[in-house]
Amino acid sequence: NAGVTQTPKFRVLKTGQSMTLLCAQDMNHEYMYWYRQDPGMGLRLIHYSVGEGTTAKGEVPDGYNVSRLKKQNFLLGLESAAPSQTSVYFCASSYAGVETQYFGPGTRLLVL
Amino acid sequence: DQQVKQNSPSLSVQEGRISILNCDYTNSMFDYFLWYKKYPAEGPTFLISISSIKDKNEDGRFTVFLNKSAKHLSLHIVPSQPGDSAVYFCAASGNSGGSNYKLTFGKGTLLTVNP
Repeated sequence: NAGVTQTPKFRVLKTGQSMTLLCAQDMNHEYMYWYRQDPGMGLRLIHYSVGEGTTAKGEVPDGYNVSRLKKQNFLLGLESAAPSQTSVYFCASSYAGVETQYFGPGTRLLVL
Repeated sequence: DQQVKQNSPSLSVQEGRISILNCDYTNSMFDYFLWYKKYPAEGPTFLISISSIKDKNEDGRFTVFLNKSAKHLSLHIVPSQPGDSAVYFCAASGNSGGSNYKLTFGKGTLLTVNP
């Protein structure tokens, strides 16, 4: 099992550009999450999904959109990137109703 | 308002000694607590957890203690090894309005174990 994988590993964007981060999991988990990690800020929840076709806002959702068209994939989109979105993005997944989440390796995003 | 607090940004200990990482929380609805370990350029990995019905959970060298009245938990690593050097995140979950699957993370503590 690959667990949770994220694509790409690193990306540089110019302000105003758009991009999509892909998260895939092969553990048949119902729940999936997107977090961002900034220096001194810990992990903050952006959006999450409790099942295929569902999404919900987390703590810091502004400027991001998500989609969960397939159970194994959770996409995070930036429609118009801003320098404030420079961060490391982590995807995680878990079984339904279970607190333990499994994380991907992260995507480093730099917005110039 | 920070609901999960790790007030020590860093901790340095000698190999073989005990490492104690602390975490405080403010939300009394939290009923499940987890510790994650993170190496540079990797994702966090689950280490150990504890339910609010317990006050201690042990797994090998790692023990988590929970003091509900003080809203405080701690992670003890004995003996500490250089490979334990990483950032440790405390996280909490609570059944508040059916959202018991979301985790709230602290800011992390960087542990350095010196040989």
